[in-house]
Amino acid sequence: GAVVSQHPSWVICKSGTSVKIECRSLDFQATTMFWYRQFPKQSLMLMATSNEGSKATYEQGVEKDKFLINHASLTLSTLTVTSAHPEDSSFYICSARGETRNQPQHFGDGTRLSIL
Amino acid sequence: KQEVTQIPAALSVPEGENLVLNCSFTDSAIYNLQWFRQDPGKGLTSLLLIQSSQREQTSGRLNASLDKSSGRSTLYIAASQPGDSATYLCAVNQAGTALIFGKGTTLSVSS
Repeated sequence: GAVVSQHPSWVICKSGTSVKIECRSLDFQATTMFWYRQFPKQSLMLMATSNEGSKATYEQGVEKDKFLINHASLTLSTLTVTSAHPEDSSFYICSARGETRNQPQHFGDGTRLSIL
Repeated sequence: KQEVTQIPAALSVPEGENLVLNCSFTDSAIYNLQWFRQDPGKGLTSLLLIQSSQREQTSGRLNASLDKSSGRSTLYIAASQPGDSATYLCAVNQAGTALIFGKGTTLSVSS
């Protein structure tokens, strides 16, 4: 089946650091990628949607200057958490989908971000 | 606004039992519905995808049904095993965009 690789799986860093998370589709072309955030014992909440070659669409309440998303190719999207603070600590998960809207989304294994 | 609800929030059963997890959604205009499994601290594993035109899908011991008109889906797990212990998430694809998730059912199967 389709594989999505997310890296790194765990990051611990100091407050004020910027952190980049990569999401790669390994065996299919991901026209659309989604970035979700999950707090402990909560469900996944969509942060933004990115289409290859276009600017990302952010959900209400998500700061686009804080969470920079780049989707420069059909196999790679990146999320950069700029000047991270402890409240940004969370579990970030990406998913990828092909061209057709009713295709399944394939998820990465997630990145646990801990800001000290 | 689409809302997805999963009942129960947690479930504990002895090994070998058959069980049903429930998912309901408020807007029946969906493309499809997916069931996922999430182990603690891990990402999501897709279990079953049901398109809006389908009534059910089966994979091994898992069977998912969809009643779009009533806004309900069930995930049936036959002969449960300790390895089935995880959180099960239901998500709907409403507009061909991002998935809208329920809060999940945390399943514990004891040996």
